[in-house]
Amino acid sequence: KAGVTQTPRYLIKTRGQQVTLSCSPISGHRSVSWYQQTPGQGLQFLFEYFSETQRNKGNFPGRFSGRQFSNSRSEMNVSTLELGDSALYLCASSLRTGTGRETQYFGPGTRLLVL
Amino acid sequence: TQLLEQSPQFLSIQEGENLTVYCNSSSVFSSLQWYRQEPGEGPVLLVTVVTGGEVKKLKRLTFQFGDARKDSSLHITAAQPGDTGLYLCASTTDSWGKLQFGAGTQVVVTP
Repeated sequence: KAGVTQTPRYLIKTRGQQVTLSCSPISGHRSVSWYQQTPGQGLQFLFEYFSETQRNKGNFPGRFSGRQFSNSRSEMNVSTLELGDSALYLCASSLRTGTGRETQYFGPGTRLLVL
Repeated sequence: TQLLEQSPQFLSIQEGENLTVYCNSSSVFSSLQWYRQEPGEGPVLLVTVVTGGEVKKLKRLTFQFGDARKDSSLHITAAQPGDTGLYLCASTTDSWGKLQFGAGTQVVVTP
């Protein structure tokens, strides 16, 4: 089975621009979660999508948004980029069977650098 | 929000030595996962522990889950350079799709 894929792998943007990142989950997985990883804050939860609906959201400003398509692929968008948005953005997929003990499988991440 | 404390933050050892990494919380874990992450890559799942007192082995890696499900440890026997990486523990939360991560332990194994 193919793993979680993310595109692009690397991205350089300037302040004020916007960016869209893409994530394709493992086949059959319907839940996609997004995380931001920085050296200072570690891994922080952004949001989760399931059945094309955002189910949970972390403590990030409204500039961070996302969506999920009918094939479970997900995109996240960051508008009006700030220097502090430079990070590794990770997506993870899971089956979401309802046990509350879901295992998440991570993609390789998109490294975003804001200049 | 459940806080996960990992220790130590950094560990540098020689090939062949043993090491242990700890993950603790003041709250009970529903389940706990251990990941290893290499630079520029996403975390790779090593193991999930669910039952208090559980011990799981993955080749030279031994994972223990405390009886009270508030702590866990990862022990590596005879470490090799390929074990180098950031070791992260993560717990499931009440929020679907959200894992709470520890800050991680950076392990460096030199030949």
